[in-house]
Amino acid sequence: AQSVAQPEDQVNVAEGNPLTVKCTYSVSGNPYLFWYVQYPNRGLQFLLKYITGDNLVKGSYGFEAEFNKSQTSFHLKKPSALVSDSALYFCAVSYSGAGSYQLTFGKGTKLSVIP
Amino acid sequence: DAGVIQSPRHEVTEMGQEVTLRCKPISGHDYLFWYRQTMMRGLELLIYFNNNVPIDDSGMPEDRFSAKMPNASFSTLKIQPSEPRDSAVYFCASSLGAGGHNSPLHFGNGTRLTVT
Repeated sequence: AQSVAQPEDQVNVAEGNPLTVKCTYSVSGNPYLFWYVQYPNRGLQFLLKYITGDNLVKGSYGFEAEFNKSQTSFHLKKPSALVSDSALYFCAVSYSGAGSYQLTFGKGTKLSVIP
Repeated sequence: DAGVIQSPRHEVTEMGQEVTLRCKPISGHDYLFWYRQTMMRGLELLIYFNNNVPIDDSGMPEDRFSAKMPNASFSTLKIQPSEPRDSAVYFCASSLGAGGHNSPLHFGNGTRLTVT
């Protein structure tokens, strides 16, 4: 079984400040980790993924995420938040060796960037 | 690329009526997924197809739900009869080569279903 946890329902950050959205996971094999963003009345959009290699992954819109195997975490970060970053963010996990498709999403974290 | 196209964007219907949601995946994608999103349960995978063949429908909540993919460019999710607890946003997503579990999904903008 696999699971993903986003411990914060909401994160507030001032515009221009760095932001972090937290994600921890549990899988029985090597993890494949994803971040998606959802704007109001829209579908989820892919931001970035970690499959293997460098633990720091860079994605769309200036976002990056750091894979930490020992802490089973994959936190999303951005050095300087924009008001337009305000949205719902989802972490998702799958794993190598899974049989049937097994992508599991977290509950989501609402990010509010305050002008 | 037009992306994944879903219709209708909004559907309001009365309990007991049949509802059909439609999806056109991105051309060339070989995987298609139907998800349901609610505040209480988050995102739930209902069913997915590979090359038009249903692979796993274990997420379909009841026999009232059915999904088809008659060809590579079209899929439907049908609820018959509909109930108020089916009210949710239904998303279709497609992917190229998701069988390796490391391909990103491309989502449509969803259908907001309200059953009264």
